[in-house]
Amino acid sequence: DSGVTQTPKHLITATGQRVTLRCSPRSGDLSVYWYQQSLDQGLQFLIQYYNGEERAKGNILERFSAQQFPDLHSELNLSSLELGDSALYFCASSVAPGLGYEQYFGPGTRLTVT
Amino acid sequence: AQTVTQSQPEMSVQEAETVTLSCTYDTSENNYYLFWYKQPPSRQMILVIRQEAYKQQNATENRFSVNFQKAAKSFSLKISDSQLGDTAMYFCAFMGLDGAGSYQLTFGKGTKLSVIP
Repeated sequence: DSGVTQTPKHLITATGQRVTLRCSPRSGDLSVYWYQQSLDQGLQFLIQYYNGEERAKGNILERFSAQQFPDLHSELNLSSLELGDSALYFCASSVAPGLGYEQYFGPGTRLTVT
Repeated sequence: AQTVTQSQPEMSVQEAETVTLSCTYDTSENNYYLFWYKQPPSRQMILVIRQEAYKQQNATENRFSVNFQKAAKSFSLKISDSQLGDTAMYFCAFMGLDGAGSYQLTFGKGTKLSVIP
């Protein structure tokens, strides 16, 4: 158990819908990362937050957004869902965003868009 | 942009034998970290081992060790005395400064390792 929690574990929804994925980082970690794992794209970095502020953006679509709240939990919002958005979404956390700070991964949320 | 290449999509090894997984990367940075992550069927991402680029000594963690060749930009993982629980996808990952001035993990496509009884 990494100490990072993600809810829900599984999510099935229809195209065009909007969903919210939730992540609680390890106690003491201020930085949160979101990754998408799909069969064709592999593991890709989406976005990073540090202490409530957006820190870095990766290959995140405009239909996707995220935020980190004062209690440090984070939410990833996916809207206008397409079949291709079906993937495993991971949240990871670290103490800080610098080089060498280990990222601890949550168990992931499996999103299926039908 | 940094890239990570794992040229072996699938590998198998007999229980108790040794196996080596390959990884190469491309970067213009001199200061970075490299990681191997394991993803068993449970899908949890588990850190296996890490290597700081400034360290010449290869990292070891029990049955897991790496062969880090900085000049060749190569970072292979050796698993000794393979166990059934080692069956998993293994991802090589690079952490260095990206074009936006932040440090992110860039993953390879993974190697699926099967340990055969």
